[in-house]
Amino acid sequence: DVKVTQSSRYLVKRTGEKVFLECVQDMDHENMFWYRQDPGLGLRLIYFSYDVKMKEKGDIPEGYSVSREKKERFSLILESASTNQTSMYLCASSPHKAPDTQYFGPGTRLTVL
Amino acid sequence: TQLLEQSPQFLSIQEGENLTVYCNSSSVFSSLQWYRQEPGEGPVLLVTVVTGGEVKKLKRLTFQFGDARKDSSLHITAAQPGDTGLYLCAGGKGGGSNYKLTFGKGTLLTVNP
Repeated sequence: DVKVTQSSRYLVKRTGEKVFLECVQDMDHENMFWYRQDPGLGLRLIYFSYDVKMKEKGDIPEGYSVSREKKERFSLILESASTNQTSMYLCASSPHKAPDTQYFGPGTRLTVL
Repeated sequence: TQLLEQSPQFLSIQEGENLTVYCNSSSVFSSLQWYRQEPGEGPVLLVTVVTGGEVKKLKRLTFQFGDARKDSSLHITAAQPGDTGLYLCAGGKGGGSNYKLTFGKGTLLTVNP
């Protein structure tokens, strides 16, 4: 079974802090994604990556950056956290041959005070 | 602009009832996925449909992709409390590094014992 793990299930940070969210997948997938999920807004794509060291902006990249130094790991960085970044963050991965078959991690519930 | 509209937004039924939820769009998708998400967890892929008019069955769940590949439905027969969750549809477009998956906002289903 594909396994996507995220470093924390719950995280509480203060405004202005730098926040790192880590995601690791164990199925050698080329594609990795970061979404945020908010009530009434659904899942929105922040950034994605189709290969190591490659990154592409999604629909809402402002205030975020990402890093993909190794194939299995995709990190989301909030350079200076703000209260409007309080959300559920979901990481997903998929293989090149089936990009629509995305496997999600359990999510990180981030609260910025 | 919300490309995928899901209806109803909320649905509460009694165990044993049948139900249908819908996913509609004005756009054509190359594939459409249905996910179920339980509280505090990430979405789990249920099915992918790729051919217009395709029907797939997964035990008590029946998924249909519209002939024009713009809409889809999920029918559950004899619903059980374990079916409770957020049902998300997602449409895929493009290819390679341009491939994108767009999610609907979901239907929150509650099946009461």
